[in-house]
Amino acid sequence: DTEVTQTPKHLVMGMTNKKSLKCEQHMGHRAMYWYKQKAKKPPELMFVYSYEKLSINESVPSRFSPECPNSSLLNLHLHALQPEDSALYLCASSHFSGQDNSPLHFGNGTRLTVT
Amino acid sequence: GIQVEQSPPDLILQEGANSTLRCNFSDSVNNLQWFHQNPWGQLINLFYIPSGTKQNGRLSATTVATERYSLLYISSSQTTDSGVYFCAVESYNQGGKLIFGQGTELSVKP
Repeated sequence: DTEVTQTPKHLVMGMTNKKSLKCEQHMGHRAMYWYKQKAKKPPELMFVYSYEKLSINESVPSRFSPECPNSSLLNLHLHALQPEDSALYLCASSHFSGQDNSPLHFGNGTRLTVT
Repeated sequence: GIQVEQSPPDLILQEGANSTLRCNFSDSVNNLQWFHQNPWGQLINLFYIPSGTKQNGRLSATTVATERYSLLYISSSQTTDSGVYFCAVESYNQGGKLIFGQGTELSVKP
């Protein structure tokens, strides 16, 4: 079982809906990440949080809004998404970001479909 | 930015066979990781290996940082090894920006 827990596992939403993806880890990691993965493609980095502060935003559209309420939790708020945003959204964590010996641990992902 | 190339893109093996997957990268790195994504989408970290050699059971990995490549060896393959293997790298001072290669899709037949 993964030590990074993501909910929900599946989500179907309309283009006018507002929803949130949730991620939780209890490994004491201080860096958390959101990745997006389309079918048959590698994961693409969206956001990095380091010590609960946003440190990297890979020019992600504002309809995706990350939030890190504390060191164990990471949310991704979704609003006015487009069908092309349908993908697997992966959360990950590591001891630190950008430092030695910090392997990335992924959750099982949320499979999002935008109708 | 840094480029990551993995080869081969696809690989079909008979159960019990050995294989070598390769990852080339275009710049010096302080972070290199190998992942396995199973058919259900779960991504598992196999190795954190910016340099040197590591072994974990039937899997081993070697990174030659000066020549900018890494190899993942799978011995005595099993059907459960099927899935996509990704190499991911980070250049120095990138604050955690790990860049994934396109992956090698492995299918192990019984």
